[in-house]
Amino acid sequence: KAGVTQTPRYLIKTRGQQVTLSCSPISGHRSVSWYQQTPGQGLQFLFEYFSETQRNKGNFPGRFSGRQFSNSRSEMNVSTLELGDSALYLCASRHTPGTGAETQYFGPGTRLLVL
Amino acid sequence: TQLLEQSPQFLSIQEGENLTVYCNSSSVFSSLQWYRQEPGEGPVLLVTVVTGGEVKKLKRLTFQFGDARKDSSLHITAAQPGDTGLYLCAGDEAGTALIFGKGTTLSVSS
Repeated sequence: KAGVTQTPRYLIKTRGQQVTLSCSPISGHRSVSWYQQTPGQGLQFLFEYFSETQRNKGNFPGRFSGRQFSNSRSEMNVSTLELGDSALYLCASRHTPGTGAETQYFGPGTRLLVL
Repeated sequence: TQLLEQSPQFLSIQEGENLTVYCNSSSVFSSLQWYRQEPGEGPVLLVTVVTGGEVKKLKRLTFQFGDARKDSSLHITAAQPGDTGLYLCAGDEAGTALIFGKGTTLSVSS
């Protein structure tokens, strides 16, 4: 079974631009979560989608948004990029949302550099 | 929002040594997970502990969940270079999001 895939793997943008990242979950998984990882703050939860609906949202500004499609694939968008948005963006999938005891499977991430 | 404190932040040891990584919080979690992340990859789940006082072993790795479900530890016996990586603990916040500690970077040299 193929794992979680994320595209692109690397991205360089300039301040003020916007960016869209894509995540394809493991086949059969309907829940997709997004995390931002930086050296200073570690891994921080952005949002989770299930059945095309945002289920939970972390403490990030409105410039960060996401969506999920009927095939469970998800995209996240960051508008008006800032230097501080440079990070590794990780996507994780699981069958259904619920208790954290269910394993989440992470993709390799998209490394975004904002200049 | 619950917070997880991990210590130490960095650890550099020789092959064959033992080590312990700690994960502490002032809040109770319904479950706690340990992940290992290698450069260029996403975190990979090592173990999930759910019951207070629970101990789980994975080869040379021993995981313990505190009785009050506020803290956890990861002990590695006879570390090997292949154990090198970033170790992350994550607590389940009432079935919503995972709250991650900032991680412990482990380097094991031969």
